[in-house]
Amino acid sequence: DIQMTQSPSSLSASVGARVTITCRASQGIRNDLGWYQQKPGKAPKRLIYAASSLQSGVPSRFSGSGSGTEFTLTISSLQPEDFATYYCLQHNSYPMYTFGQGTKLEIK
Amino acid sequence: EVQLVESGGGLVQPGGSLRLSCAASGFTFSSYAMNWVRQAPGKGLEWVSAISATSVSTYYAASVKGRFTISRDNSKDTLYLLMNSLIVEDTAVYYCARDGESLPFRDGMDVWGQGTTVAVSS
Repeated sequence: DIQMTQSPSSLSASVGARVTITCRASQGIRNDLGWYQQKPGKAPKRLIYAASSLQSGVPSRFSGSGSGTEFTLTISSLQPEDFATYYCLQHNSYPMYTFGQGTKLEIK
Repeated sequence: EVQLVESGGGLVQPGGSLRLSCAASGFTFSSYAMNWVRQAPGKGLEWVSAISATSVSTYYAASVKGRFTISRDNSKDTLYLLMNSLIVEDTAVYYCARDGESLPFRDGMDVWGQGTTVAVSS
């Protein structure tokens, strides 16, 4: 089974800061990875698909990069509404999905 | 508007059963694979099960295999999850999520419902 290791598990940052979250796969997954944002009591929302493609309607301050085993989600300038928990999800290892453990982004 | 609405959650005793439903609208439900994903209180996301667009193929996480059954009725635009032999560890919010066209595991999950809560307790 492919394991996804997400880091950091939590992060404090200020409005306007640039933030990077990383997911590492235990083996190569090409670009079969998405990034999701989840706010308390709400469903996850996909931000990025295919590692670097921005989901329609998502602000351009969100970007994704990587291929193979290492992937990053970057928020270029944090806004108050960005404070949430972020998850990566790999869909390369048929027939199962694996989420990262999550990164809780809090206001400093 | 593409929408998924789950229902059927509730409180059930260990060993009991529950059937969740997910009503889809705003897209051609019969063309898409679908998933169930759960989130235990205070925990991360866990994929539970997937089904192809035509119901030919179904898939389960090891933690629920043999106890849960995923199904769909394309004439009713509805996805189901029948949960048997429930244990305390099945307590979670259960989300349905749309996958890619036809088969799962190719495109990830793009649209999610708001979730329904299942509590397993005596």
